Amino acid sequence: DGGITQSPKYLFRKEGQNVTLSCEQNLNHDAMYWYRQDPGQGLRLIYYSQIVNDFQKGDIAEGYSVSREKKESFPLTVTSAQKNPTAFYLCASSGQVNNEQFFGPGTRLTVL
Amino acid sequence: KNQVEQSPQSLIILEGKNCTLQCNYTVSPFSNLRWYKQDTGRGPVSLTIMTFSENTKSNGRYTATLDADTKQSSLHITASQLSDSASYICVVSEAGGGNKLTFGTGTQLKVEL
Repeated sequence: DGGITQSPKYLFRKEGQNVTLSCEQNLNHDAMYWYRQDPGQGLRLIYYSQIVNDFQKGDIAEGYSVSREKKESFPLTVTSAQKNPTAFYLCASSGQVNNEQFFGPGTRLTVL
Repeated sequence: KNQVEQSPQSLIILEGKNCTLQCNYTVSPFSNLRWYKQDTGRGPVSLTIMTFSENTKSNGRYTATLDADTKQSSLHITASQLSDSASYICVVSEAGGGNKLTFGTGTQLKVEL
C-alpha cells in the first residue's frame, strides 16, 4: 500500500446521503486518482488530478465530486446523485518515474 | 476503444505447481504494460512493468513476457505458494499525457494444498 492511506476501510450510507472518502499520500506525488472497482469489471477512473487545485473527470464522474487543495490529499465525495454507489473505491498516486501508480488499501462503500 | 482482455477468468492450482496467465490488449498508442497483484479487499500492488522494447521481466517467482507485435503478455508464476492466491490484473498505459490506464478484469488465482 506504500505511503497512501484511505479511510475509512468500510463505510455504510443511507440512500440520499452524501459521503466523503479520504485519501492521503506522503510520497510527494503530483498526480492522484480515484477508481471504482465492481465485481467482474476492471477498475474504472472516476476523477484524477495532476497538480494541486486542478482535476479532471474520468470515465465515470457523474455523481461524484473531488477537491485538491493540498498535494497530499484528494478526497472523493459520493453524492446522492450517484445511482449505484455500492462498490470498492481505490485511490492511487503517481510520480515521475514510469508514471507508475501506487494504490491505497481501498474503501468499501455500501449503501443501505 | 482501448481494451484489455485476460484469461482465464479464474484458475485453481496445487501448491508447488506453475501457471501462466494471459493478457491481450488493443491499447494504442502503447506506452507500457504492468501486472498487478491484488489480494482480496486490498489495493493492487505492482509486480512488473514493461515498455515496448522489453520482452521479459522477472520479479522473484513472477516472470512477465511481452510481445508488442501481437499485443500479448503473459505472467508466469513458478512454484506457486498459498500466498499467491489473489487476483492478477493486467494494466496497459496509453502513450501521451494524462497517464491513462486501461485495466483488465483480472484472473482470480487460488492455490490449494
